[in-house]
Amino acid sequence: RKEVEQDPGPFNVPEGATVAFNCTYSNSASQSFFWYRQDCRKEPKLLMSVYSSGNEDGRFTAQLNRASQYISLLIRDSKLSDSATYLCVVNVPSGTYKYIFGTGTRLKVLA
Amino acid sequence: EADIYQTPRYLVIGTGKKITLECSQTMGHDKMYWYQQDPGMELHLIHYSYGVNSTEKGDLSSESTVSRIRTEHFPLTLESARPSHTSQYLCASSDGRLNQPQHFGDGTRLSIL
Repeated sequence: RKEVEQDPGPFNVPEGATVAFNCTYSNSASQSFFWYRQDCRKEPKLLMSVYSSGNEDGRFTAQLNRASQYISLLIRDSKLSDSATYLCVVNVPSGTYKYIFGTGTRLKVLA
Repeated sequence: EADIYQTPRYLVIGTGKKITLECSQTMGHDKMYWYQQDPGMELHLIHYSYGVNSTEKGDLSSESTVSRIRTEHFPLTLESARPSHTSQYLCASSDGRLNQPQHFGDGTRLSIL
């Protein structure tokens, strides 16, 4: 079982739709959580950190459920420019302090 | 905007050549990382460093080597490039504090002929 799991998609949604992605993690000691966006052949870019109480940034809302060990990303009023791969990243502050990446969920917003 | 730079952006080179991919950051971050990513595939950690003179191999075995002589600089070297090394190489850094993310460079797309 992978440490961080995501549905690879693709999620094909019409413009204006609301779409949600989940990401599950296996290590209960995980402390930090992030969503990154990656466009084709580009580097990952930080979309938002995920805080325990949940947080919102414009059309994007992130939630953390520690009991069930998953994080979610909700995108409201989807734009064509939201088409990308969304990566879930988890950090476990063990001795190695590495960031564990999910495989990503591909989103296509259709006109 | 994160201040982490990779050069070259693109490199096409013949088999057997020695290659060094450069990565520099101006944020004073102790932790630096190299990832390898093929098109449409997931990121794989190949090297990381927690500070000067500290380097470790990542989860994916790689024939490349790294060095960390200065905090801001984390070059990756391939002694003898092969077609199987063709990939995108991404460098990242973080300050290591809780809840702080990684910042990525633009990447180097490497093609070995």
